Amino acid sequence: EAGVAQSPRYKIIEKRQSVAFWCNPISGHATLYWYQQILGQGPKLLIQFQNNGVVDDSQLPKDRFSAERLKGVDSTLKIQPAKLEDSAVYLCASSPPISYEQYFGPGTRLTVT
Amino acid sequence: GIQVEQSPPDLILQEGANSTLRCNFSDSVNNLQWFHQNPWGQLINLFYIPSGTKQNGRLSATTVATERYSLLYISSSQTTDSGVYFCAGTLGGADGLTFGKGTHLIIQP
Repeated sequence: EAGVAQSPRYKIIEKRQSVAFWCNPISGHATLYWYQQILGQGPKLLIQFQNNGVVDDSQLPKDRFSAERLKGVDSTLKIQPAKLEDSAVYLCASSPPISYEQYFGPGTRLTVT
Repeated sequence: GIQVEQSPPDLILQEGANSTLRCNFSDSVNNLQWFHQNPWGQLINLFYIPSGTKQNGRLSATTVATERYSLLYISSSQTTDSGVYFCAGTLGGADGLTFGKGTHLIIQP
């Protein structure tokens, strides 16, 4: 069974530029999560989708971050415009309909200069 | 939301040693997971353990839900066990996970 796929793996941009990350969850997993992990800290939830609907986006900085999961499968997370403090690893996770166990992708390491 | 506290924050051991990592929660959790983050940043699932005890090779975990803590045991440590160990939980089963700050484990040959 293929795991959670993410791209790109690395991205370097200048502040005020925009960037987008892509995630493809494990097949059949209805719930998809985006987390932000700043160096030296544990991951922090940004947004949670159930199929193509948003369940929780309370910690998403909506003035600059947006996310969508249009067909209930893959998802895109966008930052526009980026700030220096957005430098982090962005992790995507998914979980199956019955079990609550979450499985993580390899992450995208973003550096904002 | 819940608070997750992990201890110790750092641990340095010789190869072959045993260790116990602890995770305390501020509230009862319905979903509890342990992860190992390897040097490349990948979060690897170790255990999904809302309650009870599980074992997988040299690793085992115990969660006492009523007392709001979980323990991860690593026996006969190997250098490949090095990395950061995270515990994470949710109040509702499918909610986003709240992570602790992790335990940074270094196994020296």
